[in-house]
Amino acid sequence: DAGITQSPRHKVTETGTPVTLRCHQTENHRYMYWYRQDPGHGLRLIHYSYGVKDTDKGEVSDGYSVSRSKTEDFLLTLESATSSQTSVYFCAISESSGLTYEQYFGPGTRLTVT
Amino acid sequence: DQQVKQNSPSLSVQEGRISILNCDYTNSMFDYFLWYKKYPAEGPTFLISISSIKDKNEDGRFTVFLNKSAKHLSLHIVPSQPGDSAVYFCAASWRDSNYQLIWGAGTKLIIKP
Repeated sequence: DAGITQSPRHKVTETGTPVTLRCHQTENHRYMYWYRQDPGHGLRLIHYSYGVKDTDKGEVSDGYSVSRSKTEDFLLTLESATSSQTSVYFCAISESSGLTYEQYFGPGTRLTVT
Repeated sequence: DQQVKQNSPSLSVQEGRISILNCDYTNSMFDYFLWYKKYPAEGPTFLISISSIKDKNEDGRFTVFLNKSAKHLSLHIVPSQPGDSAVYFCAASWRDSNYQLIWGAGTKLIIKP
């Protein structure tokens, strides 16, 4: 199993508060991704990183920011949480071998914004 | 506009029979396709993939077929087992995408004993 952990695993927060989710990997992979999963939508990419301090927006990036100061850590921040950001958030990493596109996922963080 | 579509939200199959999950895509740039399996309260796990230069890839009980002209792929599971009950996601990627994946909405597979 890929060494990916996410913290916290569950969080309940109030509308308007900042929230930071952490993804930590022990695989030294270059690529890391943040997704949200909602019923009827599958997984939707929020932001991704292709190296330390190198990040880019995904499909649903509004209201989210990310940072990657070390290879092993990728942080997702909701500057001012809204109820529409209630979701399950998954972090993923990619071996980026050039021949394969597989991503490996963490266990997820369930976030509830009240 | 969904670029990867899984039109069946759920599928029920008898244990021991074949399960066939379908996926359609609209973007001709996609050249790599993957299937993932997801249990409740866990992250998705990679099952099998196929490159657009192939039309079939097999791994044990799992086979993925790709029909590029129809922009359609399918996952066959033979024989189906109770542990196969999960949500299955189809995903697609393309060259120079930084390995981004575009995902379908998923199909919930239920294996009946």
